[in-house]
Amino acid sequence: GENVEQHPSTLSVQEGDSAVIKCTYSDSASNYFPWYKQELGKRPQLIIDIRSNVGEKKDQRIAVTLNKTAKHFSLHITETQPEDSAVYFCAASKREVGYNKLIFGAGTRLAVHP
Amino acid sequence: DVKVTQSSRYLVKRTGEKVFLECVQDMDHENMFWYRQDPGLGLRLIYFSYDVKMKEKGDIPEGYSVSREKKERFSLILESASTNQTSMYLCASSLEQGLSNQPQHFGDGTRLSIL
Repeated sequence: GENVEQHPSTLSVQEGDSAVIKCTYSDSASNYFPWYKQELGKRPQLIIDIRSNVGEKKDQRIAVTLNKTAKHFSLHITETQPEDSAVYFCAASKREVGYNKLIFGAGTRLAVHP
Repeated sequence: DVKVTQSSRYLVKRTGEKVFLECVQDMDHENMFWYRQDPGLGLRLIYFSYDVKMKEKGDIPEGYSVSREKKERFSLILESASTNQTSMYLCASSLEQGLSNQPQHFGDGTRLSIL
């Protein structure tokens, strides 16, 4: 079955720096890759997603890139702010008949220091 | 805005008890999911359902069962709770839209402690 590995497990940056989180997946049939942000004590919330027919997607300070050949995808956060501090999860999914299920990475705890 | 509501934020139960965790969504989503979240392990899928009365095992179904009698409600059942089931439990739902993957929307979670 699908396996998703996420690195690093913790990341500490200074405010204003960039942060990059990387994930690799094993199933070449995976075609949907969402990223979730979970602040302390709160629910995971979708921040950006990408489908396999595109290589990059941006939303303000957040971008995701996908390399299907290498089977990896990355989250890029530019000009980090203290409110970006959270745990970030990547996930991969492929379409099954009638449903899709996500396989999550183990998470990256990002700390942005003022 | 999608609303996924879990019945309890915190729950304390004893070993051997039968435990029910309830989840309700208000967006008429076909798909519903139960995960458990443990430090360093991410979110692991326990069971999911893509239609009323339908259920599928996820990656860690042992010790759990589910019930989906109505479209908006998905229940997770611990038949005989054990201490290794102490965890954060998250419910999620997503829209079924033909061949397209759709995002999953999560509830606030239930932190379950088994003593």
